[in-house]
Amino acid sequence: DQQVKQNSPSLSVQEGRISILNCDYTNSMFDYFLWYKKYPAEGPTFLISISSIKDKNEDGRFTVFLNKSAKHLSLHIVPSQPGDSAVYFCAASGGGSQGNLIFGKGTKLSVKP
Amino acid sequence: DTGVSQDPRHKITKRGQNVTFRCDPISEHNRLYWYRQTLGQGPEFLTYFQNEAQLEKSRLLSDRFSAERPKGSFSTLEIQRTEQGDSAMYLCASSKSPGQANGYTFGSGTRLTVV
Repeated sequence: DQQVKQNSPSLSVQEGRISILNCDYTNSMFDYFLWYKKYPAEGPTFLISISSIKDKNEDGRFTVFLNKSAKHLSLHIVPSQPGDSAVYFCAASGGGSQGNLIFGKGTKLSVKP
Repeated sequence: DTGVSQDPRHKITKRGQNVTFRCDPISEHNRLYWYRQTLGQGPEFLTYFQNEAQLEKSRLLSDRFSAERPKGSFSTLEIQRTEQGDSAMYLCASSKSPGQANGYTFGSGTRLTVV
């Protein structure tokens, strides 16, 4: 049973436009949500996180929004750049585990010049 | 600090053989994690250490798998009697306790192919 779901396997956007990546979760005990970016042949790289007590966190071009009532979060990238092309993973922590991040399956973002 | 280092980067082994992977975390990080990633999936948690203590193990970590962090620094993950289903990318990560807000730092992984 997947506790963290990324329902879009892929997303294609034009350079300069907004990229919106979505993530749904089922466990209301999660206390932190994180986004990671992964290039081929590399490990995931941490991008941004949000505590469950907040609804928005911003870092440069990256903003994460959390809607607890809908158990949904999204990552906005504005403006999108070709170098943003990668697989993006949503992850959650807590939910009864002290040391475990639970990842979604990822969304492959392609930013076209 | 060069980040989290994993060795080897690639490993091809025959079914039934034993393999061992090594992870060197960021030096000031007291937590170390092992994850496994297969094609089309996100990383799946295997186990984690706080210093030298192994605090949590996933049910994915069958009795053929064993992980150690003897002095609270580097860690090893051993798989005995490998099976084709063990073929995956094995990722190591480290963090300061607890680490969620600033994320975990991942290594580049060890890709295991069992033939």
